[in-house]
Amino acid sequence: QQQVRQSPQSLTVWEGETAILNCSYEDSTFNYFPWYQQFPGEGPALLISISSVSDKKEDGRFTIFFNKREKKLSLHITDSQPGDSATYFCAAKGGRALIFGTGTTVSVSP
Amino acid sequence: DMKVTQMPRYLIKRMGENVLLECGQDMSHETMYWYRQDPGLGLQLIYISYDVDSNSEGDIPKGYRVSRKKREHFSLILDSAKTNQTSVYFCASSWDWGVEQYFGPGTRLTVL
Repeated sequence: QQQVRQSPQSLTVWEGETAILNCSYEDSTFNYFPWYQQFPGEGPALLISISSVSDKKEDGRFTIFFNKREKKLSLHITDSQPGDSATYFCAAKGGRALIFGTGTTVSVSP
Repeated sequence: DMKVTQMPRYLIKRMGENVLLECGQDMSHETMYWYRQDPGLGLQLIYISYDVDSNSEGDIPKGYRVSRKKREHFSLILDSAKTNQTSVYFCASSWDWGVEQYFGPGTRLTVL
């Protein structure tokens, strides 16, 4: 049972374009949604997060859009750079633990 | 310097051997976690530890056990490893349940 779903599985964009990563969840009690960034050979690291009381969170070139009614959120990476090439995990706080999605691998071509 | 360390980084074992994965953190975090990561499956929670000798099963605890005798140290033990336990294992720690987690660099375990 996958409680947090991500799409697409992989994504390729040109440098300067906007990458859009999608995430959906099932449990309406989830109230905190972090996005983690993982580079090959490293552990994930927190990139940006949003709580369910907000509909948008921005941090530099990274923006989360959150739709509570539809149980969907998305991560927008504007002006994508080759250094943004990584796997991005959407997660949701369910009780005492985070529930992770399966990730979206982003490749940014120069 | 906030850091989570894992040892070893790479490990090859034969089926039936015992495996010990070690994790340390220097942030005095109460909560620590063990995950495994497999292609297409994301991060799956194996165990959570809320403090010394206070451990709870995660989503996939079968075949694993943990030990936490000091707040800064959390071990994952595989008794009689199986080939399907070949994976990358990540340790993480946090100040609170599920709030920002700090991950280690991972241990790539191969069970032959």
